Amino acid sequence: EIVLTQSPATLSLSPGERATLSCRASQSVSSYLAWYQQKPGQAPRLLIYDASNRATGIPARFSGSGSGTDFTLTISSLEPEDFAVYYCQQRSNWPPNTFGQGTRLEIK
Amino acid sequence: QVQLVQSGAEVKKPGSSVKVSCKASGGTFSSYAISWVRQAPGQGLEWMGGIIPIFGTANYAQKFQGRVTITADESTSTAYMELSSLRSEDTAVYYCASMGQHWGQGTLVTVSS
Repeated sequence: EIVLTQSPATLSLSPGERATLSCRASQSVSSYLAWYQQKPGQAPRLLIYDASNRATGIPARFSGSGSGTDFTLTISSLEPEDFAVYYCQQRSNWPPNTFGQGTRLEIK
Repeated sequence: QVQLVQSGAEVKKPGSSVKVSCKASGGTFSSYAISWVRQAPGQGLEWMGGIIPIFGTANYAQKFQGRVTITADESTSTAYMELSSLRSEDTAVYYCASMGQHWGQGTLVTVSS
């Protein structure tokens, strides 16, 4: 089973700053990696699929990069509504389509 | 626009089973993978299994093998997730999702004696 490790666990930043979130896979997932945002009481929202493709309706400030085992989600300039929990998920090898443990992005 | 609507909250006794439904509308149900994901209180997301309705065969996370059954009814565009031998640790919100893009609203399953 592929294990995804996200870092940091918590990221404290201010609006307007740049956020960089990391996801590392225990073995190659090629480019089959997705990123989700989740706010309290809501279902996850797909941000990025296949490592670097923005999902429908996702603002351009969100970008994804990486391949193989190392991936990054970048938010270029944080808006107040971006403070949430972010998860990566691999879709290379199912079952299972494992998730990372999440990164909490909080207001500094 | 695909919409997924799940069945309502459930309260179950330990040892019993629960069956959650996920009805799709507005899209092509049969061709896209439907996954089931759960989230225990204050915890992260956990992938349980999935099915591509047109193929009919489900795949499960090893952790849930033997306890979970995922099915799909193409005639009603509805997917189901049944979890048996419930224990308190199964208390969670259960989501269905289509290709990760579209999510149901979640179903809270509470296991309590």
